Amino acid sequence: DAKTTQPNSMESNEEEPVHLPCNHSTISGTDYIHWYRQLPSQGPEYVIHGLTSNVNNRMASLAIAEDRKSSTLILHRATLRDAAVYYCILRTLVYGNKLVFGAGTILRVKS
Amino acid sequence: EAGVTQSPTHLIKTRGQQVTLRCSPISGHTSVYWYQQALGLGLQFLLWYDEGEERNRGNFPPRFSGRQFPNYSSELNVNALELEDSALYLCASPRGIYGYTFGSGTRLTVV
Repeated sequence: DAKTTQPNSMESNEEEPVHLPCNHSTISGTDYIHWYRQLPSQGPEYVIHGLTSNVNNRMASLAIAEDRKSSTLILHRATLRDAAVYYCILRTLVYGNKLVFGAGTILRVKS
Repeated sequence: EAGVTQSPTHLIKTRGQQVTLRCSPISGHTSVYWYQQALGLGLQFLLWYDEGEERNRGNFPPRFSGRQFPNYSSELNVNALELEDSALYLCASPRGIYGYTFGSGTRLTVV
């Protein structure tokens, strides 16, 4: 599986936008970019995914670089409930292809 | 659709004992993935079951085993428990391009 690189931690103020970066320079053409988040003592939660174009959903936006070697998860207005570990994962849709989690980014949100 | 359910939520066992954890995937979904998340560490892939068969396993000793039943629910068994088996055990149902839905996990403490 192609690797991703994320900052260990980031901090944000409540009600402000948060941009979480992810580098994936060895991404292949069939890799989808997935983002998950994990709140304390819970299982990871799907946030968003994309292939080539930017994506929006009710939780977040995903901005994908034109060369696909990096992406940014955007939380438009951070709340205290967004404090979590955020994982950027590459995944090819092949039968049985498991998710491989890295260390992720710990997001701290200050009130 | 109902999500992924796991039981029990918490468990305390003594070193050397055996434990069984249970998972029900999303209704009608045939695949179950098991992950281990030791304290402060990332999620490590354990086992993948589909259609009642073990399809893949991660780098874990044979005392980690499991099975999948005709209704696609699954059990994870850990024999001869060791202190380092203390972890959050998560199971997940794959949802195509939307990645996985995870359960809330079973917190196992080995004393």
